[in-house]
Amino acid sequence: DAMVIQNPRYQVTQFGKPVTLSCSQTLNHNVMYWYQQKSSQAPKLLFHYYDKDFNNEADTPDNFQSRRPNTSFCFLDIRSPGLGDAAMYLCATSSTSGVIASTDTQYFGPGTRLTVL
Amino acid sequence: RKEVEQDPGPFNVPEGATVAFNCTYSNSASQSFFWYRQDCRKEPKLLMSVYSSGNEDGRFTAQLNRASQYISLLIRDSKLSDSATYLCVVNSFYGNNRLAFGKGNQVVVIP
Repeated sequence: DAMVIQNPRYQVTQFGKPVTLSCSQTLNHNVMYWYQQKSSQAPKLLFHYYDKDFNNEADTPDNFQSRRPNTSFCFLDIRSPGLGDAAMYLCATSSTSGVIASTDTQYFGPGTRLTVL
Repeated sequence: RKEVEQDPGPFNVPEGATVAFNCTYSNSASQSFFWYRQDCRKEPKLLMSVYSSGNEDGRFTAQLNRASQYISLLIRDSKLSDSATYLCVVNSFYGNNRLAFGKGNQVVVIP
């Protein structure tokens, strides 16, 4: 059974046209992450939610926003996609308790491959 | 300096041979270490966690060297299905839940 689900799997958008990618999880994990991965590069963390607390990476462009309306769902909004935003977008979840950084596994969804025309 | 560094390869390995590669990390306070496997155009999947005492899972052995700040992965008796990119992943102890990923070691097992 799928545990981290991403929709759509493939998304084509036009330059400058807003797009939303979605992620849902059945694991009831309290932490959700969004990564951007370009070809032959490491996944790059954009931001993550610890419960409802949003944590943005310092170098994440303002063009990228996120929403987490409840535990199960998290969205990535790209307000004005540029050609350089074409990539695989990976959602991941983990379960963390307390303030100590988690040693728990991050579970990844299958990703959404974004093409910008 | 990057948080996690790996030699991307590719590592061309004859079927049945042994291959090993290292990954270095820059944050001496790092507490958790992992190897993830990523197949072409797929998501990363956890291969194994890396413990201080080293650990083995079938044909895969992981080692941690804190003094020199590197972890290693060894694959014995390579199978064609082992062809993938192996990502070294490190979790910093302080302040957040971030994982830092290396670019990966690409392994190609050749018949």
